[in-house]
Amino acid sequence: QKEVEQNSGPLSVPEGAIASLNCTYSDRGSQSFFWYRQYSGKSPELIMFIYSNGDKEDGRFTAQLNKASQYVSLLIRDSQPSDSATYLCAVIGGSNYKLTFGKGTLLTVNP
Amino acid sequence: GAVVSQHPSWVICKSGTSVKIECRSLDFQATTMFWYRQFPKQSLMLMATSNEGSKATYEQGVEKDKFLINHASLTLSTLTVTSAHPEDSSFYICSADRGGARAEAFFGQGTRLTVV
Repeated sequence: QKEVEQNSGPLSVPEGAIASLNCTYSDRGSQSFFWYRQYSGKSPELIMFIYSNGDKEDGRFTAQLNKASQYVSLLIRDSQPSDSATYLCAVIGGSNYKLTFGKGTLLTVNP
Repeated sequence: GAVVSQHPSWVICKSGTSVKIECRSLDFQATTMFWYRQFPKQSLMLMATSNEGSKATYEQGVEKDKFLINHASLTLSTLTVTSAHPEDSSFYICSADRGGARAEAFFGQGTRLTVV
């Protein structure tokens, strides 16, 4: 079983819509969860982090964490073409503090 | 946020030569840095964990004699690709964090290596 799983996509949404990105993880003891955005040919940049169950909002972005279901998601409201990128879910494991990345979901926002 | 600087941003080298990539944490001390490789349309693949003052820890399948890592100080780690071959052409990215269970990773700009 892969440690961090994401749907590779591509996920295509129209401009102004809500984009929903999902991630599951296998280590039940995981403590920290991150969403990174990576434009083609560039390094990842941090979008959101979340540690506790529930929702965390930052501007157009909302991260949702459900530790019981081992599930973390990222919602992007009012999607813009500039949001088109690969979104990487990353998890710090409970035992070794190792950051593990999912394979990423390619999001395309169509004007 | 913290800054991690990686140099060079791109390099072209001949097959059989070696290439050194530097990764610096500019405003914090990083006892641990990470080196990733990313092929086109693929995810980040962790190559090795660089530990200041000790040997790097390599992921399974990564040749430690080919990818030499030196972490000489708390702010600098280097990755040397020795005897590079075209199949080593990739995007190499370093990252560093402050450590601990909630440490976010800060990435360097990445190095696009092309071996011809």
